[in-house]
Amino acid sequence: KAGVTQTPRYLIKTRGQQVTLSCSPISGHRSVSWYQQTPGQGLQFLFEYFSETQRNKGNFPGRFSGRQFSNSRSEMNVSTLELGDSALYLCASSFSTDSYGYTFGSGTRLTVV
Amino acid sequence: QQQVKQSPQSLIVQKGGISIINCAYENTAFDYFPWYQQFPGKGPALLIAIRPDVSEKKEGRFTISFNKSAKQFSLHIMDSQPGDSATYFCAADFYEKLTFGTGTRLTIIP
Repeated sequence: KAGVTQTPRYLIKTRGQQVTLSCSPISGHRSVSWYQQTPGQGLQFLFEYFSETQRNKGNFPGRFSGRQFSNSRSEMNVSTLELGDSALYLCASSFSTDSYGYTFGSGTRLTVV
Repeated sequence: QQQVKQSPQSLIVQKGGISIINCAYENTAFDYFPWYQQFPGKGPALLIAIRPDVSEKKEGRFTISFNKSAKQFSLHIMDSQPGDSATYFCAADFYEKLTFGTGTRLTIIP
C-alpha cells in the first residue's frame, strides 16, 4: 500500500515569499500531523488535523498555517519566509484519533535564500 | 515540562553488541512512548512503542524498558548490525502531539 506522499521533495524560495507544501496520507488515514526538522531544534510539532479540523497546534508563529481537505489530504503554508524557516517539513498520518502508529513521509526540504 | 531528554548524542557499537539509548521526560501526562529510526533522506519510521502501564516490550532485537517512577525509558538493540546505523529518536505523546528527543546517531562498526 502506498505510503505518505509529500510534494515537492525539494523547494528553494526567497525571503519574503510564501510556500505551500502538500501531503497525501495513507488511504483511509484521517489524522495528519506536520513537523519541522532542523539540525538546531530537532523535530518540532507544527499542527495536527483530523476530519478537516485542527485539533492541536505547536508553538510556531501565525505565518505557519495548514488545512485538511475532505479527502484527508493536507497542505501547510508558510508566509513571509525567513531564512530560519529552512528545514525538512515532515507530514505524518494515522488511521485513528491518536498518535499511535503515525507513518511519516519522506518530507519536503525547504531552503530559503 | 514538555521536554524529552535523550542521551547519548552519538554512539558507536561493535557489530553483535548491544546498543542502549536513554530518554527521560518530565510531563506525567504523556501516555505513549514511541521510538523512531531515521535514515538520511527519509522520514522517521516507527520502530517500537510502549504505554506507561507496561515496564518492558520486546520486538525482535529491539526492547523498550520503561521506568514510570523515574520517568525514564530506554531502547536496547541486541546483536547490533551495520544496517542499524541510523539516527534514533525517542518521543512522548500527549493529545496527538509528539515531543521528540534530540536524537542519537548510532554507528555500528564491523
